[in-house]
Amino acid sequence: EAGVTQSPTHLIKTRGQQATLRCSPISGHTSVYWYQQALGLGLQFLLWYDEGEERNRGNFPPRFSGRQFPNYSSELNVNALELEDSALYLCASSSSYEQYFGPGTRLTVT
Amino acid sequence: GQNIDQPTEMTATEGAIVQINCTYQTSGFNGLFWYQQHAGEAPTFLSYNVLDGLEEKGRFSSFLSRSKGYSYLLLKELQMKDSASYLCAVREYFNTDKLIFGTGTRLQVFP
Repeated sequence: EAGVTQSPTHLIKTRGQQATLRCSPISGHTSVYWYQQALGLGLQFLLWYDEGEERNRGNFPPRFSGRQFPNYSSELNVNALELEDSALYLCASSSSYEQYFGPGTRLTVT
Repeated sequence: GQNIDQPTEMTATEGAIVQINCTYQTSGFNGLFWYQQHAGEAPTFLSYNVLDGLEEKGRFSSFLSRSKGYSYLLLKELQMKDSASYLCAVREYFNTDKLIFGTGTRLQVFP
């Protein structure tokens, strides 16, 4: 069974640009979660999507947004990038209580 | 408020036993997770406790005391491959699909 996949692996952007990160959940999982892991900090909850709807979001500004597609894959968009957005962005999927994580996208903002 | 505390770093010797503690304060509680994360890799699930007591799974055990807001992860017969970060995460009652993570404990195992 394929795990959670994310693309791209690495992304380099300049300040002010937009970044799009993608996630494909494990087959059969309808919930997708996005987390930010900045250097030296714990995972911070960003967004939760289930059945195509945004169910919950963490304490992040509106320039962090996303969506979930009918096939349950998801996209995270970060607009007007700032230097402090540089981090590892992890996607997880779930069908019950356990969340399975993807390998992450390393976003670097210069 | 929400607060999860873990030691930042720990070291241990191959073959030894190590206990990683986690204390938490959340507005509601609906389970505690432990994840292992090797450098540059995704976190992988280790254990889930929702009731008080000890859950054993091979070399790894996890304990929970809800009244004390306390958990620990016990690793026995340490191996070099156990060198990783160990993340404690609490699932909140009113946000049942939101995990609040601690900053993680970086464990280094020496020969």
